[in-house]
Amino acid sequence: ILNVEQSPQSLHVQEGDSTNFTCSFPSSNFYALHWYRWETAKSPEALFVMTLNGDEKKKGRISATLNTKEGYSYLYIKGSQPEDSATYLCALSTGTASKLTFGTGTRLQVTL
Amino acid sequence: DVKVTQSSRYLVKRTGEKVFLECVQDMDHENMFWYRQDPGLGLRLIYFSYDVKMKEKGDIPEGYSVSREKKERFSLILESASTNQTSMYLCASSSPGQGNGYTFGSGTRLTVV
Repeated sequence: ILNVEQSPQSLHVQEGDSTNFTCSFPSSNFYALHWYRWETAKSPEALFVMTLNGDEKKKGRISATLNTKEGYSYLYIKGSQPEDSATYLCALSTGTASKLTFGTGTRLQVTL
Repeated sequence: DVKVTQSSRYLVKRTGEKVFLECVQDMDHENMFWYRQDPGLGLRLIYFSYDVKMKEKGDIPEGYSVSREKKERFSLILESASTNQTSMYLCASSSPGQGNGYTFGSGTRLTVV
């Protein structure tokens, strides 16, 4: 079983704060790294798919970076808003199958 | 709007009951997956299927089985529900090819009493 780790497990920030969290994964057999946002009572929603070392992706105030050599990805949220409150999941694809291995998630709570 | 639909949002069953969790997708995806999500453990893969009538065990298949008689439908079966199967169950689908992301259902929260 692959070990995909996310830290911190939970995070509580004030509106307007910028924040970031980490996804660590084994760098061998890497194929792609996915980020999802999962809001309460909704389906997990895809944010980014990254495949190349050094990749950077951006969607509004959210961005992500990827380092496949050392096996980590960062997700950044600039100027957090209450609607950013969700669990953020990263998932690893190794390329040997279509299945994804998920991390434990980072639960973000943004308060006014 | 493409979607993955899980038949129940909340379900309460008794220990020993046979439980069916249904998942239907309308995207003509070949791949379908069942995960469970528990606090501190993340999403863990139970079973997946790459095609009709095909199934493969995931990381935690014990106590579960699956059925895929039609491409759009993937059922998770708890043969004899136990309290340690109380969890949030998520179904997902994807198109073939490594690296393709999932489209998820909204989950079924199952409580076994």
